[in-house]
Amino acid sequence: DSGVTQTPKHLITATGQRVTLRCSPRSGDLSVYWYQQSLDQGLQFLIQYYNGEERAKGNILERFSAQQFPDLHSELNLSSLELGDSALYFCASSSQLAGPGELFFGEGSRLTVL
Amino acid sequence: DAKTTQPTSMDCAEGRAANLPCNHSTISGNEYVYWYRQIHSQGPQYIIHGLKNNETNEMASLIITEDRKSSTLILPHATLRDTAVYYCIVRPNAGNNRKLIWGLGTSLAVNP
Repeated sequence: DSGVTQTPKHLITATGQRVTLRCSPRSGDLSVYWYQQSLDQGLQFLIQYYNGEERAKGNILERFSAQQFPDLHSELNLSSLELGDSALYFCASSSQLAGPGELFFGEGSRLTVL
Repeated sequence: DAKTTQPTSMDCAEGRAANLPCNHSTISGNEYVYWYRQIHSQGPQYIIHGLKNNETNEMASLIITEDRKSSTLILPHATLRDTAVYYCIVRPNAGNNRKLIWGLGTSLAVNP
């Protein structure tokens, strides 16, 4: 158990819909990262928050947005969903903004868009 | 950040050592080598990291060549539960984790 909690574990929805994925980082971790992993692909970095502030953006679509709340949990919002958005979405946390140290990943949210 | 090259897949017999190679010939002096693994669509799990000295923890050993251009992750006594995709990643000491470039890793199959 990494200490990172993601909900929901599975989500099936239709094209055009909007979903919200939630992440609770490890206790005390200030950095939250969101990754997307499509079938048989490596992890693609989407966005990072540190202590409530957006710190970096990766290959995140404009239809996607995220935020980190004062209690440090984070939400990833996916709108106008397309078939290609079907993927595993992982949240990870770390205690630092930078420097050595590992990332702790949640178990992911599997999104299926029909 | 430096890129890494790993074999696509490997097999290992249960109980034997699994040696997973990684090439990072363009690694810079301040870049660490990290290993993670992902067991069947679960969240990736940190294994070990090192700069230039060999490292060992309860999960594995990391052997880094003297020129730091390659490394080997060693699982000393592989079990069926070690079947996973193993990712070798390099990143700067002072770098942000967002810079981690995740390739496709090595798919290790541990066979009974």
